[in-house]
Amino acid sequence: EADIYQTPRYLVIGTGKKITLECSQTMGHDKMYWYQQDPGMELHLIHYSYGVNSTEKGDLSSESTVSRIRTEHFPLTLESARPSHTSQYLCASSRYISTDTQYFGPGTRLTVL
Amino acid sequence: GDSVTQMEGPVTLSEEAFLTINCTYTATGYPSLFWYVQYPGEGLQLLLKATKADDKGSNKGFEATYRKETTSFHLEKGSVQVSDSAVYFCALSENNAGNMLTFGGGTRLMVKP
Repeated sequence: EADIYQTPRYLVIGTGKKITLECSQTMGHDKMYWYQQDPGMELHLIHYSYGVNSTEKGDLSSESTVSRIRTEHFPLTLESARPSHTSQYLCASSRYISTDTQYFGPGTRLTVL
Repeated sequence: GDSVTQMEGPVTLSEEAFLTINCTYTATGYPSLFWYVQYPGEGLQLLLKATKADDKGSNKGFEATYRKETTSFHLEKGSVQVSDSAVYFCALSENNAGNMLTFGGGTRLMVKP
């Protein structure tokens, strides 16, 4: 069973607030990822990291930012939330092996009013 | 670039029916292929994978065979259960892409008793 955790699971917040979505994994994986999942189910990669002090932007442009100060922790921050940020956010991690799987957290469902 | 195309859902079946969810891909190299499943309110879980042509991945009664000649990785199950109701994602990872996944759009399966 994958050991990757996301908090909070659900968040309802007003426009303009700063939020941080937490993601932690205990598997010692080098690579971590953030996906945005729209209501139509499609997954979009928004950020990823190869390891400590590494962050890269994904395929979908996002106003969020990420940091990777520790191997196990990969938080995502929105400085000023807007209704267009309402979505499901999924965190994942993997070893740096192309045939290996990505392990996903349970997700955070964000609603911005 | 790489792409994955899945049959659109929802797919609605009666319990014990046979399931096929089609998946075809376009890739420049020799990718690994994956099926992930997402149960309501949860993150994605790896269902099965295949890393080279003619490999068959299997798990929990589900099977998929890597067909290089038809660039396909169709998911099958002989007898579905209500508990199989979920969203299924086909994905690929190029062997030189450091475990970056390209996902299909997802197919929702609903199984009725």
